[in-house]
Amino acid sequence: QITLEESGPTLVKPTQTLTLTCTFSGFSLSTSGVAVGWIRQPPGQALEWLALIYWNDDMYYNASLKSRLTITKDTSENQVVLTMTNMDPVDTATYYCVRRRSIVVVVGSKPREYNWFDPWGQGTLVTVSS
Amino acid sequence: DIQMTQSPSSLSASVGDRVTVTCRASQSISNYLNWYQQKPGKAPKVLIYIATRLESGVPPRFSGSGSGTDFSLTISSLQPEDFATYYCQQSYSTPTFGQGTRLEI
Repeated sequence: QITLEESGPTLVKPTQTLTLTCTFSGFSLSTSGVAVGWIRQPPGQALEWLALIYWNDDMYYNASLKSRLTITKDTSENQVVLTMTNMDPVDTATYYCVRRRSIVVVVGSKPREYNWFDPWGQGTLVTVSS
Repeated sequence: DIQMTQSPSSLSASVGDRVTVTCRASQSISNYLNWYQQKPGKAPKVLIYIATRLESGVPPRFSGSGSGTDFSLTISSLQPEDFATYYCQQSYSTPTFGQGTRLEI
């Protein structure tokens, strides 16, 4: 069974740095093709993808937030850490840790890789307020 | 970034109804489209991936269709547990989600 669990502060002050930890089980981030990421959702609003880290240390970020985000992994501890600098009240949201699932489908003679997010952690609500 | 636009934003329906939610991409994404269901206070769960493939364990009353820029999620006969918010997500490039469709009684 694959599970992911987010942990970190529930309240941060404006300008502070947020550090969230995702602890997962049921898979390894040292396995080829595996990736773990973060998605957030402000209260009553839509989902926003933030960052993704792959088994080979490749990292990808939401372009609009890239300057504020860092994603790292600790394979031995089965953890992924997201840091977000210069927090603002608009960053108040539930932050989800997710695993990226992928499959390769041959279309015509060309392989295509498809991916989606599954499963998700239960999420952690982070409030930014002074 | 590829923009995903869902319609309607909210939808009132009754148990037994057939409902369709649509999702439009700002450019062609082939069939790189996923659908998620989110119930209040819970994390989203994948329903459909690669536009038409039903996730294991998801009831067959859910179906997905479309390719290119226009996609749809159909629930053939609404059940009480289907009242939730539905999101589309493209995986053609940097992931982006639609704004959600709230399905309510």
